[in-house]
Amino acid sequence: GEDVEQSLFLSVREGDSSVINCTYTDSSSTYLYWYKQEPGAGLQLLTYIFSNMDMKQDQRLTVLLNKKDKHLSLRIADTQTGDSAIYFCAETPPYGYNKLIFGAGTRLAVHP
Amino acid sequence: KAGVTQTPRYLIKTRGQQVTLSCSPISGHRSVSWYQQTPGQGLQFLFEYFSETQRNKGNFPGRFSGRQFSNSRSEMNVSTLELGDSALYLCASSAGLAGGNEQFFGPGTRLTVL
Repeated sequence: GEDVEQSLFLSVREGDSSVINCTYTDSSSTYLYWYKQEPGAGLQLLTYIFSNMDMKQDQRLTVLLNKKDKHLSLRIADTQTGDSAIYFCAETPPYGYNKLIFGAGTRLAVHP
Repeated sequence: KAGVTQTPRYLIKTRGQQVTLSCSPISGHRSVSWYQQTPGQGLQFLFEYFSETQRNKGNFPGRFSGRQFSNSRSEMNVSTLELGDSALYLCASSAGLAGGNEQFFGPGTRLTVL
């Protein structure tokens, strides 16, 4: 079945690292994505990883994929107040073309 | 390069009416997908169009329909509006034929049904 789960809230101190977690159920998912949504805005693609990769790093962002446990995480180093937003994990099911299945989103609050 | 544009940005309708939302993808992109975002159900896939053909559809009633024009612009239509159709409607454009492509979202159209 198609399902993506995320914890709903995360609060971190400015300058610390944030780790947002996601689990998915479809082991044959091909691509996994992280999107960011700020208030009143659309979705901004942060990064994505192909399912045969374990890790991808892009500046302050590190994505880790544990395919055995169907677990995906996004680490944001040196978290800033501008990182406060909702972060969505999403997967593309096989043969889904460009269909994205989203988690409920994790609200990240960064405090001084 | 201009991003994905959606019009109108805000819309207020009453129950029973119909509405048409428009999405212009990034130049050169041939795939347009539509999503509904609500506080209760989150982000849900409506449908995807590629080269004027619907090639994937989510679990929404037939009141929700869409189309894509030869210039890749897409419209979605909701007939016989219900209160539960109040949502942020997002479209995303992508260049590629298959999954795994970067998908760029527009700012959305916020529909309120009274």
